[in-house]
Amino acid sequence: EVQLVESGGGLVLPGGSLRLSCAASGFTFSSYEMNWVRQAPGKGLEWISYISRYGSTIYYADSVRGRFTISRDNAENSLYLQMNSLGAEDTAIYYCARDSLSWELDYWGQGTLVTVSS
Amino acid sequence: EIVMTQSPVTLSVSPGERATLSCRASQSLSSNLAWYQQKPGQAPSLLIHDASTRATGIPARFSGSGSGTEFTLTISSLQSEDFAVYYCQQYNNWPRTFGQGTKVEIK
Repeated sequence: EVQLVESGGGLVLPGGSLRLSCAASGFTFSSYEMNWVRQAPGKGLEWISYISRYGSTIYYADSVRGRFTISRDNAENSLYLQMNSLGAEDTAIYYCARDSLSWELDYWGQGTLVTVSS
Repeated sequence: EIVMTQSPVTLSVSPGERATLSCRASQSLSSNLAWYQQKPGQAPSLLIHDASTRATGIPARFSGSGSGTEFTLTISSLQSEDFAVYYCQQYNNWPRTFGQGTKVEIK
């Protein structure tokens, strides 16, 4: 069974940093591209980052480029999101999601909540 | 950036009735479009990919159609578990973008 479990969310001060993790199981992690998608409270979904199977290709949404860094460790079956210079607009549930072989997001984690507030 | 526009924002439907949701893209996507369902307090889940292919385990009452810039998700006979928010998403270009969602509520 495919499972994606995010962790690392919490309350952080404006300007602060946080590192999210996503533990993958039930599939060959290194064979799939991965993404982060976020959802602000009561709002819609926003794709924020993508990483290819071995990390050679990375994309970011404009809203996070230069502040967030996506990475992965295939030996640990884990995906990461380093978030710096956080602002109130980054308050959201952060989901990791797997790219299917035909590019849609076929499996999602349950999400981890990040709250940026003083 | 491709802008995805869903309509209506809210759709009120009685159980057993048909629901038709629309998604429009600001430029052509070919068939590189997916639909997701999100229930309250849950993560989104994949319903349809490549505009019209049901994901594994998705009931036949869900169907997708369209190509280019106009897409439709149809739920032929709404069941109680189908009341949720539905999002379309394009994966033809970077950045990937979602529509703002359509909430299907009980009439």
